[in-house]
Order: sequence, then C-alpha cells, then structure tokens
Amino acid sequence: NAGVTQTPKFQVLKTGQSMTLQCAQDMNHEYMSWYRQDPGMGLRLIHYSVGAGITDQGEVPNGYNVSRSTTEDFPLRLLSAAPSQTSVYFCASSYSYPGTISYEQYFGPGTRLTVT
Amino acid sequence: AQSVAQPEDQVNVAEGNPLTVKCTYSVSGNPYLFWYVQYPNRGLQFLLKYITGDNLVKGSYGFEAEFNKSQTSFHLKKPSALVSDSALYFCAGTSRNQGGKLIFGQGTELSVKP
Repeated sequence: NAGVTQTPKFQVLKTGQSMTLQCAQDMNHEYMSWYRQDPGMGLRLIHYSVGAGITDQGEVPNGYNVSRSTTEDFPLRLLSAAPSQTSVYFCASSYSYPGTISYEQYFGPGTRLTVT
Repeated sequence: AQSVAQPEDQVNVAEGNPLTVKCTYSVSGNPYLFWYVQYPNRGLQFLLKYITGDNLVKGSYGFEAEFNKSQTSFHLKKPSALVSDSALYFCAGTSRNQGGKLIFGQGTELSVKP
C-alpha cells in the first residue's frame, strides 16, 4: 500500500491564483481530513469528510473548498490564494470516525505552499 | 472551548535518561487522546492513544503515556531516551460529541543529546 499520498510536495503561488492540492489513500478509509501546520500553532483542521459525498468544516475553513466524490480522493482547493495561506498542508485518513476505539490517523508527507 | 496544551516548546534530555513530554486537555465529555511524532520534513506518525481502560497506555518505540483525569493530563514518557527520539511531538484530543474534529497541541520539540 502507498498509504496517503499528496501532490505536489512544494508549490509557490502568487496572490489571487487558484490551485488544488491532491490527496489520495489506498487503505479504503472512510474518514479523511486536511490540516495546516504553522509554527507554534500545531495542526489546525481545515475540512474533513466522513465518507464519499459528505464533507464538513473544521476549525479554519475560510478560503478553502473540498469535495469527496470517491472514497480514495479528497482534494483541497484554494480559490484565490492569499499570503496568509502560506503553510504546510497535511492530508490524513483513518478507518473510522474520531471518538471510536479504532480511530487513528495516517498522514501524508505534506505540501509546502508559499503564497507571494 | 475545547483545547489541548503542550506547555513546553522544547524538552532537552541526555541519552539514556527518562523523558517526559507534557500535555493537558480541556475536552467536554470523555476524552480520546493521542500522541503523534513528526520527524523533519515528514508527516505525522501515530504513537499511542487513550480511549478507555487502563490509565497507562503503551505505544510504539517504547513510549507510554499516563492519562490522569483529575489533572486533565496525558503526559508522554519513555524510561530511556535515544538520540533517534529527537523529533517534534504532538498531543491531540477529541471526544464523541466533537463531530470529527481533532484538536492538536502546539507541539514540543524533543532534543536528545548523546
């Protein structure tokens, strides 16, 4: 299994540009999520999905869109990039829902995004 | 509001000595608590979790954590530190009524010197 894969690894955008961060998992996990990591702030949840066709907002959803058309894929879209979105983005997946006994997340390697 | 706090930005330990990385939580209902480790330029790796049961939880690489309900703490421990344990450690928490939202602490940089 490849686990959780993310592309690209690095990206530089100009303010106002749009892009999609790709995330895929091959473990047949129902739950997928996107986080951003900023120094001194830990990881903050952007959006999450409990299954295909179902998404919900996390702690910092503004400026980001998601969709979940398949179990495997969970892309994150930046419609109009801003310098405040400069961060490292992590996608994660898990077999089951947070708060259940078997819940533990598997993380992708991350995408380092710089917005100038 | 729910929160997870790691009061130390950095912990320095000599190799072979015991290590402790601290975590406190404020979560409504019964807490579900986790520790993750992040090596440079890598994603996070799961270490251990507390859902219910014994307060002492054992995890990967010889790490363990003690859940203390009265002190709302979930400190990560290891009896004998290795240089290879040097990394960034994150505590995270949630509960059944959080609707899928896992809250992370800000992270603690562990440095183990030979």
